[in-house]
Amino acid sequence: DIVMTQSPDSLAVSLGERAAINCKSSQSVLYSSNNKNYLAWYQQKPGQPPKLLIHWASTRESGVPDRFSGSGSGTDFTLTISSLQAEDVAVYYCQQYFSTPLLTFGPGTKVDIK
Amino acid sequence: EVQLVQSGAEVKKPGESLKISCEGSGYTFTNYWIVWVRQMPGKGLEWMGSIYPGDSDTRYSPSFQGQVTISADKSISTAHLQWSSLKASDTAIYYCARHAGSSSVDYWGQGTLVSVSS
Repeated sequence: DIVMTQSPDSLAVSLGERAAINCKSSQSVLYSSNNKNYLAWYQQKPGQPPKLLIHWASTRESGVPDRFSGSGSGTDFTLTISSLQAEDVAVYYCQQYFSTPLLTFGPGTKVDIK
Repeated sequence: EVQLVQSGAEVKKPGESLKISCEGSGYTFTNYWIVWVRQMPGKGLEWMGSIYPGDSDTRYSPSFQGQVTISADKSISTAHLQWSSLKASDTAIYYCARHAGSSSVDYWGQGTLVSVSS
C-alpha cells in the first residue's frame, strides 16, 4: 500500500503571505510511460465536502485561483498558496491515485490566519 | 452538470443495519468508479472502497473489508454503502465521489451523516 504523509500538521500564515504544504508518498507515484505524477490536492472547508484543486501534481482544476500551485515529482510534492486569502482557511489533503482504484489520502494540513 | 446526491442523515442504534445511497447524474454513470470516503468527527479522509458500476468490479480498503458492503444499481445510477450491524465507531460523515480510473477523484456528494448511539 502507498502511504501518504503531510507536513506540517497545521500552519498559520498572515494574510497575503505564502503558505506551503508538503506531501510525501512511500513509493513513487510517477508513471514512467506517460511521465505523469498521480497526485491530487483537495481543499476542505468546514461543513463542506472536499474540493479538487490540483491533479497530475501541478495541473490546476478549472476555476481554481492561480495563487494555488502544485509542484514536485516522484515521492515529494508541495502545494503552495502564494498569497493567502481569508477564504483559503481550510484543511488541505494530498491523495495518490497511482494505485487506482486503490486510493490513499494524506492526513491533512490545517491552514489558518495568523 | 455532474451531480452526486446522497441520501439524508441517519440516526441509528448499535447493532442495527443501514444502507445509504449516492445517485449520479449529468454523466454516464457506468463509465466512472464511485468511491466511498469516511470522515470521522474532527478527523481526516479515509478511502473505504470503490465500485465500477459498468461491471460491478468492487475494491475495498483492507481497513474496511468485511465491515461494509458496496454495491451499485446501474439502472437507476445509484451506488450504495451498507452495514449489517452498526457500531458506535461508525459515527461519521460518509462521502461518495466520482473517479475516472485514469485520473483523479473530481466530483463529490454532499455527504451523509451517520450517527450511531444507544
